[in-house]
Amino acid sequence: DAGVIQSPRHEVTEMGQEVTLRCKPISGHNSLFWYRQTMMRGLELLIYFNNNVPIDDSGMPEDRFSAKMPNASFSTLKIQPSEPRDSAVYFCASSFRVVGSPLHFGNGTRLTVT
Amino acid sequence: QQQVKQSPQSLIVQKGGISIINCAYENTAFDYFPWYQQFPGKGPALLIAIRPDVSEKKEGRFTISFNKSAKQFSLHIMDSQPGDSATYFCAASRNTGGFKTIFGAGTRLFVKA
Repeated sequence: DAGVIQSPRHEVTEMGQEVTLRCKPISGHNSLFWYRQTMMRGLELLIYFNNNVPIDDSGMPEDRFSAKMPNASFSTLKIQPSEPRDSAVYFCASSFRVVGSPLHFGNGTRLTVT
Repeated sequence: QQQVKQSPQSLIVQKGGISIINCAYENTAFDYFPWYQQFPGKGPALLIAIRPDVSEKKEGRFTISFNKSAKQFSLHIMDSQPGDSATYFCAASRNTGGFKTIFGAGTRLFVKA
């Protein structure tokens, strides 16, 4: 079991550029979550999917953020255009859609927007 | 909207001491209360969890105490060790709505050798 795989680990980009973060969940898991972590706001849930379908995107901060899950083994979080305040660590997590099933987090993507 | 409130923000404990982190929730629909541990450069990882029909759960040196009427729960780390130094998050999730999990703000624990 390779765990949840996120890429890239670090991303530095200039304001206005498009950023795409990638996630490969654990095989067999049917729920996928995108979180953002900052010192000020902690771990914020941005969006989550069940069986590849977006269920709740109320945490997505602005229309500049979008997420897709084209199949059970891949998801992307896109920011376009990026702004300095988007700088944070973005985590992807997956789990079984069962009460009591823990979230398995990737090691995150540290995004810096200059 | 902060649905899970966690305190303290940071905690320094002597080796061998007891670390206590507290959380309070608002939504009575929550039915699963996990604690996650995060080391620098890593994602959070499940430490221990409890359901609301149980008042206490113990796993090794880690114990969750749960008070349903007060809507509060806490993590106790007995015999704290320097290796326990990490950030701890309480969380809450509910069965409806696809098991959405909301996290507390986190507590940075430092255990002095």
